[in-house]
Amino acid sequence: GDSVTQMEGPVTLSEEAFLTINCTYTATGYPSLFWYVQYPGEGLQLLLKATKADDKGSNKGFEATYRKETTSFHLEKGSVQVSDSAVYFCALTGDSWGKFQFGAGTQVVVTP
Amino acid sequence: DTGVSQDPRHKITKRGQNVTFRCDPISEHNRLYWYRQTLGQGPEFLTYFQNEAQLEKSRLLSDRFSAERPKGSFSTLEIQRTEQGDSAMYLCASSGLKGGNSYEQYFGPGTRLTVT
Repeated sequence: GDSVTQMEGPVTLSEEAFLTINCTYTATGYPSLFWYVQYPGEGLQLLLKATKADDKGSNKGFEATYRKETTSFHLEKGSVQVSDSAVYFCALTGDSWGKFQFGAGTQVVVTP
Repeated sequence: DTGVSQDPRHKITKRGQNVTFRCDPISEHNRLYWYRQTLGQGPEFLTYFQNEAQLEKSRLLSDRFSAERPKGSFSTLEIQRTEQGDSAMYLCASSGLKGGNSYEQYFGPGTRLTVT
């Protein structure tokens, strides 16, 4: 079945550092790929998405490119802030029902 | 605010009791999903509705779990004879504009269940 693998956390960074969170997937067909973010005490929020190969999703300074050849959708941000501290989830949906398969999540801690 | 809402936000119950959770999706959405999230893990799919029809159930959804979506609006998830292993965050999400096709899911804040 479909699956998503994310790098384990926590990832601890200083403010203004470069952030990369690796995400790879296995799926049949052509899934849509997503990054969700969960801030402390809050629900999951859609951060960005890409629906076909080579698409780049971007939002709030975060970017991820759908790489079919490497089955990856790595999340990047050039300069993190303390407010980016959260848990980030990579997800895919590959079927007509649209149900998501999530990765285990990566906690990011940004220190001043 | 017209986001997804869930009630209650927290529920503590004794083992063996029944519990019911409610989800109110975004009103224009025809798809509704239930997920379960345990500590340190990503959400796991439980079940899915398109309008009032329950179209798929995960193997995770044992016979003690039942979900409904009468009239294609709000949904309820009931757990009978709760067990300590049912302790988790139960998330509801909605998507899909009526007549359209969107895979963006909008999540509610979740109901945290603790079974003692």
